[in-house]
Amino acid sequence: SQTIHQWPATLVQPVGSPLSLECTVEGTSNPNLYWYRQAAGRGLQLLFYSVGIGQISSEVPQNLSASRPQDRQFILSSKKLLLSDSGFYLCAWKSPGEAGTDTQYFGPGTRLTVL
Amino acid sequence: QKEVEQDPGPLSVPEGAIVSLNCTYSNSAFQYFMWYRQYSRKGPELLMYTYSSGNKEDGRFTAQVDKSSKYISLFIRDSQPSDSATYLCAMNPGFQKLVFGTGTRLLVSP
Repeated sequence: SQTIHQWPATLVQPVGSPLSLECTVEGTSNPNLYWYRQAAGRGLQLLFYSVGIGQISSEVPQNLSASRPQDRQFILSSKKLLLSDSGFYLCAWKSPGEAGTDTQYFGPGTRLTVL
Repeated sequence: QKEVEQDPGPLSVPEGAIVSLNCTYSNSAFQYFMWYRQYSRKGPELLMYTYSSGNKEDGRFTAQVDKSSKYISLFIRDSQPSDSATYLCAMNPGFQKLVFGTGTRLLVSP
Protein backbone atom coordinates (compact mmCIF):
# COMPACT_ATOMS: atom_id res chain seq x y z
CA SER A 1 0.00 0.00 0.00
CA GLN A 2 1.03 3.58 -0.53
CA THR A 3 2.00 5.91 2.29
CA ILE A 4 2.99 9.54 2.32
CA HIS A 5 5.18 11.19 4.92
CA GLN A 6 5.77 14.81 5.76
CA TRP A 7 8.19 16.39 8.17
CA PRO A 8 8.47 18.17 10.34
CA ALA A 9 4.97 17.97 11.77
CA THR A 10 5.21 21.44 13.32
CA LEU A 11 7.65 24.27 12.84
CA VAL A 12 8.04 27.71 14.37
CA GLN A 13 10.38 29.99 12.46
CA PRO A 14 11.33 33.69 12.71
CA VAL A 15 10.59 36.09 9.87
CA GLY A 16 13.43 36.13 7.36
CA SER A 17 14.65 32.62 8.11
CA PRO A 18 14.87 29.87 5.47
CA LEU A 19 12.42 26.99 5.15
CA SER A 20 12.62 23.41 3.98
CA LEU A 21 9.67 21.03 4.20
CA GLU A 22 9.98 17.50 2.94
CA CYS A 23 7.49 15.02 1.56
CA THR A 24 8.13 11.43 0.56
CA VAL A 25 5.84 8.80 -0.89
CA GLU A 26 6.25 5.04 -0.56
CA GLY A 27 4.68 2.17 -2.46
CA THR A 28 4.25 3.83 -5.84
CA SER A 29 6.41 4.90 -8.75
CA ASN A 30 6.39 8.13 -10.71
CA PRO A 31 3.57 9.72 -8.73
CA ASN A 32 2.27 13.19 -9.44
CA LEU A 33 3.08 15.30 -6.40
CA TYR A 34 1.44 18.43 -5.05
CA TRP A 35 2.03 21.09 -2.40
CA TYR A 36 -0.97 22.87 -0.91
CA ARG A 37 -1.37 25.51 1.76
CA GLN A 38 -4.46 25.57 3.92
CA ALA A 39 -5.40 28.75 5.74
CA ALA A 40 -8.34 28.98 8.11
CA GLY A 41 -11.60 29.58 6.25
CA ARG A 42 -9.90 29.69 2.87
CA GLY A 43 -9.75 26.09 1.77
CA LEU A 44 -6.83 24.45 0.05
CA GLN A 45 -4.61 26.51 -2.22
CA LEU A 46 -2.49 24.62 -4.74
CA LEU A 47 1.06 25.95 -4.66
CA PHE A 48 3.10 23.58 -6.86
CA TYR A 49 2.75 20.31 -8.66
CA SER A 50 5.19 17.95 -10.29
CA VAL A 51 4.74 15.19 -12.85
CA GLY A 52 8.33 13.96 -12.68
CA ILE A 53 11.87 14.51 -11.40
CA GLY A 54 12.92 18.11 -11.92
CA GLN A 55 9.53 19.09 -13.36
CA ILE A 56 7.81 21.74 -11.27
CA SER A 57 4.77 23.85 -12.11
CA SER A 58 3.96 26.87 -9.99
CA GLU A 59 0.38 27.89 -9.47
CA VAL A 60 0.74 31.02 -7.39
CA PRO A 61 3.56 33.62 -7.50
CA GLN A 62 4.95 33.81 -3.99
CA ASN A 63 7.86 33.58 -1.65
CA LEU A 64 8.14 29.81 -2.00
CA SER A 65 9.79 27.33 -4.36
CA ALA A 66 9.61 23.58 -4.84
CA SER A 67 11.98 20.90 -6.02
CA ARG A 68 11.76 17.23 -6.83
CA PRO A 69 15.24 15.74 -6.58
CA GLN A 70 14.04 12.13 -6.56
CA ASP A 71 11.02 10.31 -7.93
CA ARG A 72 9.20 10.10 -4.62
CA GLN A 73 10.57 13.17 -2.85
CA PHE A 74 9.09 16.65 -2.99
CA ILE A 75 10.57 19.62 -1.15
CA LEU A 76 9.06 23.03 -0.41
CA SER A 77 11.52 25.82 0.31
CA SER A 78 11.85 29.48 1.03
CA LYS A 79 14.93 31.66 1.33
CA LYS A 80 13.28 34.21 3.62
CA LEU A 81 10.00 33.53 5.38
CA LEU A 82 7.26 36.15 5.67
CA LEU A 83 4.54 36.33 8.30
CA SER A 84 2.02 35.53 5.59
CA ASP A 85 3.73 32.16 4.97
CA SER A 86 2.20 30.80 8.17
CA GLY A 87 -0.27 28.00 7.56
CA PHE A 88 -0.83 24.28 7.27
CA TYR A 89 1.19 22.80 4.41
CA LEU A 90 -0.04 19.62 2.81
CA CYS A 91 1.67 17.34 0.35
CA ALA A 92 -0.45 15.08 -1.85
CA TRP A 93 0.14 12.43 -4.48
CA LYS A 94 -1.80 10.99 -7.36
CA SER A 95 -1.16 7.91 -9.42
CA PRO A 96 -0.41 8.95 -12.98
CA GLY A 97 -1.96 5.72 -14.19
CA GLU A 98 -5.46 6.55 -12.98
CA ALA A 99 -7.40 7.55 -16.04
CA GLY A 100 -9.84 10.36 -15.64
CA THR A 101 -10.14 11.08 -11.96
CA ASP A 102 -7.72 13.44 -10.30
CA THR A 103 -8.17 11.79 -6.92
CA GLN A 104 -5.36 12.91 -4.67
CA TYR A 105 -4.16 11.48 -1.38
CA PHE A 106 -2.82 13.73 1.32
CA GLY A 107 -0.04 13.53 3.85
CA PRO A 108 -0.38 14.44 7.54
CA GLY A 109 0.69 18.05 6.99
CA THR A 110 3.17 20.50 8.50
CA ARG A 111 1.93 23.35 10.63
CA LEU A 112 4.20 26.36 10.09
CA THR A 113 4.11 29.41 12.31
CA VAL A 114 6.22 32.40 11.32
CA LEU A 115 6.82 34.87 14.15
CA GLN B 1 -17.93 34.40 -7.25
CA LYS B 2 -15.99 31.38 -6.05
CA GLU B 3 -15.93 28.33 -8.31
CA VAL B 4 -17.04 26.15 -5.38
CA GLU B 5 -19.21 27.31 -2.50
CA GLN B 6 -19.54 25.43 0.76
CA ASP B 7 -21.19 26.54 3.98
CA PRO B 8 -18.48 26.67 6.66
CA GLY B 9 -20.83 25.68 9.49
CA PRO B 10 -20.42 24.54 12.15
CA LEU B 11 -23.25 22.09 11.72
CA SER B 12 -24.23 20.59 15.07
CA VAL B 13 -26.34 17.44 15.23
CA PRO B 14 -27.15 14.79 17.85
CA GLU B 15 -25.77 11.29 17.54
CA GLY B 16 -27.85 9.16 15.20
CA ALA B 17 -29.05 12.04 13.04
CA ILE B 18 -28.88 12.09 9.27
CA VAL B 19 -26.41 14.72 8.10
CA SER B 20 -26.53 16.51 4.77
CA LEU B 21 -23.44 18.37 3.57
CA ASN B 22 -23.57 20.33 0.35
CA CYS B 23 -21.52 22.20 -2.24
CA THR B 24 -22.51 24.26 -5.21
CA TYR B 25 -20.27 25.02 -8.14
CA SER B 26 -20.27 27.25 -11.18
CA ASN B 27 -18.09 25.44 -13.74
CA SER B 28 -20.14 23.06 -15.86
CA ALA B 29 -16.92 21.36 -17.04
CA PHE B 30 -16.41 19.65 -13.68
CA GLN B 31 -16.76 15.89 -14.06
CA TYR B 32 -15.25 14.24 -11.01
CA PHE B 33 -16.41 15.05 -7.52
CA MET B 34 -14.80 14.10 -4.25
CA TRP B 35 -15.46 14.37 -0.55
CA TYR B 36 -12.63 14.50 1.94
CA ARG B 37 -12.84 14.26 5.71
CA GLN B 38 -10.33 16.22 7.74
CA TYR B 39 -9.86 15.81 11.46
CA SER B 40 -8.38 18.69 13.40
CA ARG B 41 -4.67 19.17 12.65
CA LYS B 42 -4.60 16.22 10.24
CA GLY B 43 -4.40 15.88 6.48
CA PRO B 44 -7.62 15.34 4.51
CA GLU B 45 -8.55 11.73 3.80
CA LEU B 46 -10.54 10.71 0.76
CA LEU B 47 -14.03 9.60 1.70
CA MET B 48 -15.95 9.30 -1.56
CA TYR B 49 -15.58 10.11 -5.20
CA THR B 50 -18.15 10.09 -7.97
CA TYR B 51 -18.15 10.66 -11.68
CA SER B 52 -20.90 12.64 -13.41
CA SER B 53 -24.42 12.58 -11.99
CA GLY B 54 -26.10 10.10 -9.70
CA ASN B 55 -25.63 8.51 -6.32
CA LYS B 56 -22.87 6.44 -4.81
CA GLU B 57 -23.19 4.64 -1.50
CA ASP B 58 -20.48 3.35 0.84
CA GLY B 59 -21.66 2.16 4.22
CA ARG B 60 -23.23 5.06 6.08
CA PHE B 61 -22.13 7.55 3.43
CA THR B 62 -23.93 8.50 0.22
CA ALA B 63 -22.57 10.95 -2.31
CA GLN B 64 -24.99 12.58 -4.70
CA VAL B 65 -24.27 14.69 -7.78
CA ASP B 66 -26.80 16.80 -9.65
CA LYS B 67 -24.93 18.27 -12.60
CA SER B 68 -28.01 20.05 -13.96
CA SER B 69 -28.20 22.07 -10.74
CA LYS B 70 -24.43 22.15 -10.19
CA TYR B 71 -24.96 20.77 -6.72
CA ILE B 72 -23.34 17.92 -4.82
CA SER B 73 -24.22 16.42 -1.46
CA LEU B 74 -22.80 14.02 1.07
CA PHE B 75 -25.26 12.25 3.37
CA ILE B 76 -24.19 10.57 6.56
CA ARG B 77 -26.66 8.16 8.14
CA ASP B 78 -26.64 7.27 11.83
CA SER B 79 -24.03 9.92 12.55
CA GLN B 80 -21.47 9.18 15.25
CA PRO B 81 -19.32 11.46 17.44
CA SER B 82 -16.35 10.08 15.48
CA ASP B 83 -17.81 11.74 12.37
CA SER B 84 -17.06 15.13 13.91
CA ALA B 85 -14.62 16.69 11.46
CA THR B 86 -14.42 19.16 8.61
CA TYR B 87 -15.74 17.87 5.30
CA LEU B 88 -14.25 19.26 2.12
CA CYS B 89 -15.75 18.88 -1.30
CA ALA B 90 -13.43 18.88 -4.30
CA MET B 91 -13.95 18.70 -8.02
CA ASN B 92 -11.90 18.39 -11.15
CA PRO B 93 -11.89 21.20 -13.67
CA GLY B 94 -9.09 19.70 -15.72
CA PHE B 95 -5.69 18.12 -15.80
CA GLN B 96 -3.77 18.06 -12.51
CA LYS B 97 -5.99 20.39 -10.60
CA LEU B 98 -8.66 19.99 -7.99
CA VAL B 99 -10.80 22.88 -6.82
CA PHE B 100 -11.77 22.64 -3.17
CA GLY B 101 -14.58 24.06 -1.12
CA THR B 102 -13.59 25.77 2.10
CA GLY B 103 -15.04 22.93 4.17
CA THR B 104 -17.99 22.42 6.50
CA ARG B 105 -17.28 21.73 10.13
CA LEU B 106 -19.53 19.00 11.55
CA LEU B 107 -20.07 18.41 15.26
CA VAL B 108 -21.92 15.27 16.36
CA SER B 109 -22.82 15.29 20.03
CA PRO B 110 -23.32 12.06 22.03
